[in-house]
Amino acid sequence: AQSVSQHNHHVILSEAASLELGCNYSYGGTVNLFWYVQYPGQHLQLLLKYFSGDPLVKGIKGFEAEFIKSKFSFNLRKPSVQWSDTAEYFCAVSSFQKLVFGTGTRLLVSP
Amino acid sequence: KAGVTQTPRYLIKTRGQQVTLSCSPISGHRSVSWYQQTPGQGLQFLFEYFSETQRNKGNFPGRFSGRQFSNSRSEMNVSTLELGDSALYLCASSFRMRREGHTGELFFGEGSRLTVL
Repeated sequence: AQSVSQHNHHVILSEAASLELGCNYSYGGTVNLFWYVQYPGQHLQLLLKYFSGDPLVKGIKGFEAEFIKSKFSFNLRKPSVQWSDTAEYFCAVSSFQKLVFGTGTRLLVSP
Repeated sequence: KAGVTQTPRYLIKTRGQQVTLSCSPISGHRSVSWYQQTPGQGLQFLFEYFSETQRNKGNFPGRFSGRQFSNSRSEMNVSTLELGDSALYLCASSFRMRREGHTGELFFGEGSRLTVL
């Protein structure tokens, strides 16, 4: 069965620091990849997605992710985080007509 | 366009009771998926409905069931509640392409937070 691993469960950064959240998945076939974000008290929202084409994907709020097929990875990056990026981030993989989510990474950005 | 609406937002039940949660998808979306979110497990897939038929099912016991109506609204039911069923239950809708399968992009509601005492 498809599985998704997010290596960092909790990340604490200061404002302006760079961010990279790891995501690895287990399936070797064609996949669609996503990062979702859940801000405190809000619903899950799509940050970015990869279906095909350029493996470097840009999303909202300055986030980007790189799909590396050989490493089964889809890491999320942001050059300079802000306090408002404090949230929980979920990596997800679509295969066999359902989304499989990682366990999430809680990011706390201190001002 | 209105988002995904889930009711009730919060509820408290006792062990052994049953609960029904409701979800209204975004207008035009015909697929509804349900997820259970807990701090330790993240989001676990429960099931997906499309055109009133369950199309996909996760690894949950038969106490968890659902249905979809002709207007795409969906309900999920949990019978004989256990303490471990305490969780945030999320509904998500999407415009499912029948032949090419799920697009993968889901639009989530705010969830129904269930506490079992």
